[in-house]
Amino acid sequence: GAGVSQSPSNKVTEKGKDVELRCDPISGHTALYWYRQSLGQGLEFLIYFQGNSAPDKSGLPSDRFSAERTGGSVSTLTIQRTQQEDSAVYLCASSLAQGRKQPQHFGDGTRLSIL
Amino acid sequence: GENVEQHPSTLSVQEGDSAVIKCTYSDSASNYFPWYKQELGKRPQLIIDIRSNVGEKKDQRIAVTLNKTAKHFSLHITETQPEDSAVYFCAEHLIFGKGTKLSVKP
Repeated sequence: GAGVSQSPSNKVTEKGKDVELRCDPISGHTALYWYRQSLGQGLEFLIYFQGNSAPDKSGLPSDRFSAERTGGSVSTLTIQRTQQEDSAVYLCASSLAQGRKQPQHFGDGTRLSIL
Repeated sequence: GENVEQHPSTLSVQEGDSAVIKCTYSDSASNYFPWYKQELGKRPQLIIDIRSNVGEKKDQRIAVTLNKTAKHFSLHITETQPEDSAVYFCAEHLIFGKGTKLSVKP
């Protein structure tokens, strides 16, 4: 079946603009994760959705970052007033229920470049 | 909270040698331990995982061992090949290790 789909694959924008990144998880996966990966670095946790529970937002670096998951499926990560340090690859992943014991399936990411 | 330490950060081996990467975790209640491989410019992909009811799991040339008492788990790759060159990450739920860049020299 289809894997995790992210769009756009690349986004170039000017400093100060808002951006929206989209993630379509694997059908039937109730857990959804967002990570940020700077060049040559590891995966930095941003936010985690599990079913209808309140999301774990503990990884969001500032209040310019927010995310929604509508209808328990598609998620949108929004970055307001973008800064150059926001440049990175934003990865989305999904997993089956009981996410703590299930592997994460990653999308190809959105490469965000802030000019 | 969860904290994962991964070592080494880089590892260079000759083709055919073995490679071992180790991760130490903090939450004694954790019971699922995955390893992901990320090739250059690609998405991370699960290569092997282990649950806390077993101490070792093998899949062809790769294996993972778990020591719950010491709170660490290790990835073992035998008979390394150039295509094993990649960055490997361990994870404890939401937190990933910083990665190990493995280079296999032909």
